[in-house]
Amino acid sequence: DIQMTQSPSSLSASVGDRVTITCRASQGISNSLAWYQQKPGKAPKLLLYAASRLESGVPSRFSGSGSGTDYTLTISSLQPEDFATYYCQQYYSTPPTFGQGTKVEIK
Amino acid sequence: EVQLVESGGGLVQPGGSLRLSCAASGFTFSSYAMHWVRQAPGKGLEYVSAISSNGGSTYYANSVKGRFTISRDNSKNTLYLQMGSLRAEDMAVYYCARDDEYSYGFFDYWGQGTLVTVSS
Repeated sequence: DIQMTQSPSSLSASVGDRVTITCRASQGISNSLAWYQQKPGKAPKLLLYAASRLESGVPSRFSGSGSGTDYTLTISSLQPEDFATYYCQQYYSTPPTFGQGTKVEIK
Repeated sequence: EVQLVESGGGLVQPGGSLRLSCAASGFTFSSYAMHWVRQAPGKGLEYVSAISSNGGSTYYANSVKGRFTISRDNSKNTLYLQMGSLRAEDMAVYYCARDDEYSYGFFDYWGQGTLVTVSS
């Protein structure tokens, strides 16, 4: 199975901050990467797929980049509703695997 | 509007069985592969199982292989997960999720989840 490692595990940030979360795969995944946002007690919500393609309805302050084994999720200007846990997921090979999550908290 | 509604969770003793259901609406259920993903309390997301659109192909994580069975009834727009020989480590919120429209393997819609508690 491909291992996905996110960093950091948690971060504190203020409204308006630029936030970057990194996801590293144990082998190359050819941009087959999705990002999800999960708020407490709620289901995950798809934000991006194919590493950089924004899901319909997701605000443009979310963006993704990367290649090979290393990928990033960037929130350009953190909003109050963005405080949540973020997960990456590779779908390059079966089984799909998730990172351990990055919790974005209010500073 | 796409909706996925899980049910069937609850308290079960170790070694017991439970069947989860996921009722789908708002899309052509029979055209999409479907998945189960779980999340233990305070933990991350773990992939559990998948089934192809016609039910002819299934996949199980090693952690549940031989104990869980995924199935679907396309006439009822419903996905199932039959869980047996339950262990404490199976305790989690179980989400059903729809395969993306391109069948790449990510999940574009999720249900609200149903909690399975394994305890004596």
